[in-house]
Amino acid sequence: EAGVTQFPSHSVIEKGQTVTLRCDPISGHDNLYWYRRVMGKEIKFLLHFVKESKQDESGMPNNRFLAERTGGTYSTLKVQPAELEDSGVYFCASSPDRRRLFFGSGTQLSVL
Amino acid sequence: AQKVTQAQTEISVVEKEDVTLDCVYETRDTTYYLFWYKQPPSGELVFLIRRNSFDEQNEISGRYSWNFQKSTSSFNFTITASQVVDSAVYFCALSDWNSGGYQKVTFGTGTKLQVIP
Repeated sequence: EAGVTQFPSHSVIEKGQTVTLRCDPISGHDNLYWYRRVMGKEIKFLLHFVKESKQDESGMPNNRFLAERTGGTYSTLKVQPAELEDSGVYFCASSPDRRRLFFGSGTQLSVL
Repeated sequence: AQKVTQAQTEISVVEKEDVTLDCVYETRDTTYYLFWYKQPPSGELVFLIRRNSFDEQNEISGRYSWNFQKSTSSFNFTITASQVVDSAVYFCALSDWNSGGYQKVTFGTGTKLQVIP
């Protein structure tokens, strides 16, 4: 069974540009989460989808971040425009029942 | 607010030595979950263990063992006879019970473990 897949694995962009991260959860997992680790700090919650609906987006840092989950399958996280402080590793996780999280390998975002 | 503290930023041990990774947490909730995750060089976060706040019994899984002490709000992780493959970043995490256990997991800053052959 395929795990959680994130694309791209690395992205290097300039300040002011737009970047879109993609997450493909494990098939059948209704719950999808985005987390972020910035500059070696703790991994922080961004938001939680249940199918296509946003269950909790209280961790989203500001309105430059937009997450979508079309049809309750894959999810995208768009940063527009990107700022230097957005650099970090963005993790996606999925869960069939919210009892156990399955994480992807993350996307390393570098904003120059 | 919940908080997880992993005071050890980096640890280096020689292969076959035992090593303990410390984790101290803060929460106002009376029921909660505690976790350990491993992040190997490949990048993904690998689930190691989940404990609920009702169960203070220590757990052993092969070379891994966990010591949960509610009185000191600690959930320490010990690797016995460490191996090079144990080299990774280890994260301790906390989740509240009422949210279903997973909606908002609070992570520590991680401890990077290097096992030297």
